[in-house]
Amino acid sequence: AQSVTQPDIHITVSEGASLELRCNYSYGATPYLFWYVQSPGQGLQLLLKYFSGDTLVQGIKGFEAEFKRSQSSFNLRKPSVHWSDAAEYFCAVDGGSNYKLTFGKGTLLTVNP
Amino acid sequence: DGGITQSPKYLFRKEGQNVTLSCEQNLNHDAMYWYRQDPGQGLRLIYYSQIVNDFQKGDIAEGYSVSREKKESFPLTVTSAQKNPTAFYLCASRIGQALNQPQHFGDGTRLSIL
Repeated sequence: AQSVTQPDIHITVSEGASLELRCNYSYGATPYLFWYVQSPGQGLQLLLKYFSGDTLVQGIKGFEAEFKRSQSSFNLRKPSVHWSDAAEYFCAVDGGSNYKLTFGKGTLLTVNP
Repeated sequence: DGGITQSPKYLFRKEGQNVTLSCEQNLNHDAMYWYRQDPGQGLRLIYYSQIVNDFQKGDIAEGYSVSREKKESFPLTVTSAQKNPTAFYLCASRIGQALNQPQHFGDGTRLSIL
């Protein structure tokens, strides 16, 4: 069965600092990978997705993620964090035949001024 | 603009009462999903539907029921059998059967017990 691990429950960074959120997945074949962001009391917004091809994918709001098959990872990065990036971030994998996404438990990002 | 509308935004349930959460989409998506979100638990799948008049149980279906009579609508009923219904409920949809299509989410309904 597919699974997703986000090792960091909560990360705090200063505004303007770089950011990397970790995501490790478990799936037997080539996975379809997603990063979503959730502001408090809101739904999830898609940041970026990986299906195939270039392992470095660009998303919205200046985010990017790199797929590393050898490490089963799909880490999310941003070179300079803004206060508005404070939110919860979810990594998800979709690899089955029944259209189910499997989500990690999320990483809460706090941005200090 | 196309999107997913969940209503109400806040809902309160009395003991022994069934309540229904609404989810409507105008994206012409085939598949629809219901998730439950608890703090620190991520999203857990309750039910999903790939086509009209068909739906499948997810990982935590006990105490919940759904229907899919129309393509654009996928209501979720939280029954009295669900003993711990307090949570944030998210509805999502996806365009079709291809795995490379992302799910799109509504803004959620927060259910609390009176």
